[in-house]
Amino acid sequence: EAGVAQSPRYKIIEKRQSVAFWCNPISGHATLYWYQQILGQGPKLLIQFQNNGVVDDSQLPKDRFSAERLKGVDSTLKIQPAKLEDSAVYLCASSLRQPSGGLWNEQFFGPGTRLTVL
Amino acid sequence: DAKTTQPTSMDCAEGRAANLPCNHSTISGNEYVYWYRQIHSQGPQYIIHGLKNNETNEMASLIITEDRKSSTLILPHATLRDTAVYYCIVMDTGRRALTFGSGTRLQVQP
Repeated sequence: EAGVAQSPRYKIIEKRQSVAFWCNPISGHATLYWYQQILGQGPKLLIQFQNNGVVDDSQLPKDRFSAERLKGVDSTLKIQPAKLEDSAVYLCASSLRQPSGGLWNEQFFGPGTRLTVL
Repeated sequence: DAKTTQPTSMDCAEGRAANLPCNHSTISGNEYVYWYRQIHSQGPQYIIHGLKNNETNEMASLIITEDRKSSTLILPHATLRDTAVYYCIVMDTGRRALTFGSGTRLQVQP
């Protein structure tokens, strides 16, 4: 089974430039997550999609970050304009569904995109 | 979600059992304990989860105290490939995004 794919793996940009990251989840997975992981910290959720709808974007800095999942499959995360503090690894994860009744729903993570803002 | 406390780092000799503790004294009755790990330059990987009974799978065992205020992840025979950051997460279901703390950095020594 193919895992979560992300590209690019590494990106270096200057502050105030724009950047976009791409994620292709595991086939059939309805729920997709974007996390930001700053060096030395655990990942922090940016946005969660269920199919092509947003479930939670409360921690997404909407003045500069945007994300979409138009066809309910792959997703892009964009930063415009980038700041120095956006330097981090951006992780995409997917899970099969968003079930009811407390059923376990394992999240599978991609390898991440390491962004360096100079 | 209940707050968790983990040691910052631990060492373990290769071939020995690695016991990683986690305190979650404010856990509520419907909250599960989940463990993920993150190997360097990779995304986090699910290990195991439990509610109140001890659990075992091919990767590890999870021991939850009777009062559920703490738990221990056990890697029975640690290898160098088990060197990673281990995250203990407490939440009510697996439906939502995970809330990660800083985790425990486990270094397996040859």
